[in-house]
Amino acid sequence: AQSVTQLGSHVSVSEGALVLLRCNYSSSVPPYLFWYVQYPNQGLQLLLKYTTGATLVKGINGFEAEFKKSETSFHLTKPSAHMSDAAKYFCAVSYTNAGKSTFGDGTTLTVKP
Amino acid sequence: ETGVTQSPTHLIKTRGQQVTLRCSSQSGHNTVSWYQQALGQGPQFIFQYYREEENGRGNFPPRFSGLQFPNYSSELNVNALELDDSALYLCASSLGGGSYEQYFGPGTRLTVT
Repeated sequence: AQSVTQLGSHVSVSEGALVLLRCNYSSSVPPYLFWYVQYPNQGLQLLLKYTTGATLVKGINGFEAEFKKSETSFHLTKPSAHMSDAAKYFCAVSYTNAGKSTFGDGTTLTVKP
Repeated sequence: ETGVTQSPTHLIKTRGQQVTLRCSSQSGHNTVSWYQQALGQGPQFIFQYYREEENGRGNFPPRFSGLQFPNYSSELNVNALELDDSALYLCASSLGGGSYEQYFGPGTRLTVT
């Protein structure tokens, strides 16, 4: 069964600092990969996705992620954190379609002024 | 364009009771997926409906059942509620069984006492 590991349940950065949220998946077959953001009391919003092609994927709000097959990783980065980025971030994988995704447990990002 | 909506927003039920949660998919979307998100965890895939037929199921017992209607809205039914069923239930809609993007509703918070 596929699984997703997000290292660090909580990450804290200063405003303007680099954001790095880690995601590793367990599979010998490259899956489709997703990052979602969840604000308090809301549903999930898709930040970016990797399906095929270019391994560096750009998403909304300045986020990007790189698919590294050899490391089975799909880490999320943003060069400069904003206060509005404070939220919970989920990495997900799927082998069929987005609607049958397996999610990690999430990483809560705190941005300090 | 109307997004994904869910009702009710919050619900409190007693152990052993039955509950029905509702989801209206985004305009034009024919696929609905349901997820259970326990407190502090990532969403877990319950099942997916595509054009009124179940199109995949996660590791949930048969007391979790669903329906999709001709207008592609959907219901999630849970019988014989248990305390562990307390969670945020999310639905997500997408276009087609092979879509790489799904759009989430705000969720229904179910509390079982």
